[in-house]
Amino acid sequence: GAGVSQSPRYKVAKRGQDVALRCDPISGHVSLFWYQQALGQGPEFLTYFQNEAQLDKSGLPSDRFFAERPEGSVSTLKIQRTQQEDSAVYLCASSLGTYRSGNTIYFGEGSWLTVV
Amino acid sequence: DAKTTQPPSMDCAEGRAANLPCNHSTISGNEYVYWYRQIHSQGPQYIIHGLKNNETNEMASLIITEDRKSSTLILPHATLRDTAVYYCIVSNNTNAGKSTFGDGTTLTVKP
Repeated sequence: GAGVSQSPRYKVAKRGQDVALRCDPISGHVSLFWYQQALGQGPEFLTYFQNEAQLDKSGLPSDRFFAERPEGSVSTLKIQRTQQEDSAVYLCASSLGTYRSGNTIYFGEGSWLTVV
Repeated sequence: DAKTTQPPSMDCAEGRAANLPCNHSTISGNEYVYWYRQIHSQGPQYIIHGLKNNETNEMASLIITEDRKSSTLILPHATLRDTAVYYCIVSNNTNAGKSTFGDGTTLTVKP
C-alpha cells in the first residue's frame, strides 16, 4: 500500500498486560513519529525516529512505554503493564525528510487500544 | 513551538465557504502555519501550510495576516465530507512532527 499502515487496528488488553503496536511507514520515509490521542482531544507527540535513531522521546508518558525502529523502517510501540489511562488511539506518522529539513507528514489510521 | 487558539466548533451550510480562524499571536519568524483535519475514526490528513504568503491548493486556501498572528483556512465550497476536526498548528521546522495539536475546531457541514 501507498500509505502508513498500522496494526492491530483495534486491541483490547487486560490491565497489566503488555501490548505491541506496529507501524509500517511509507517506503523510503526517513522520519517516523508516534502520537497518543485520547478521546475528544488532539494528538499528542510521543517520540520521533530519524531512520533507526530515536532522536526524541520526550513525550513518552512513563518508562512503561518503549518504541523501537531497529532497521529504520518498521517501528513498534510497546506498552508494558497496561493501565486504564493508556486507553487511547495510537497514531503513527512518517515523512520523507528529516525532522529539520521537513516534509508533509502522513498519518496512519491509528491503533485503538482499550484497557479493561 | 507557539500555541494556537481555535474555536471549538463551527457550522457551515453545504456548498458555502467555510472559514476557520486560528490565532497564533506568539508565532516566531521562522515558524510555519500548518492545517490538518481528522475525519472520524481516521488519522489526521495534511491540508495546507504557509509561512507568510497566502497559499492555495486543490483542497483549500490559507490566508495569513500581515503580522502573522492569525490565519484563516478557507474551504471554498464545503461538502458533507468536509465534516471533521480541523487542527491549526505552528512549527519552527517544515513539518509538524513534534507540534502541539490542541483540540482543534469541529466543523459540521449541514445540508
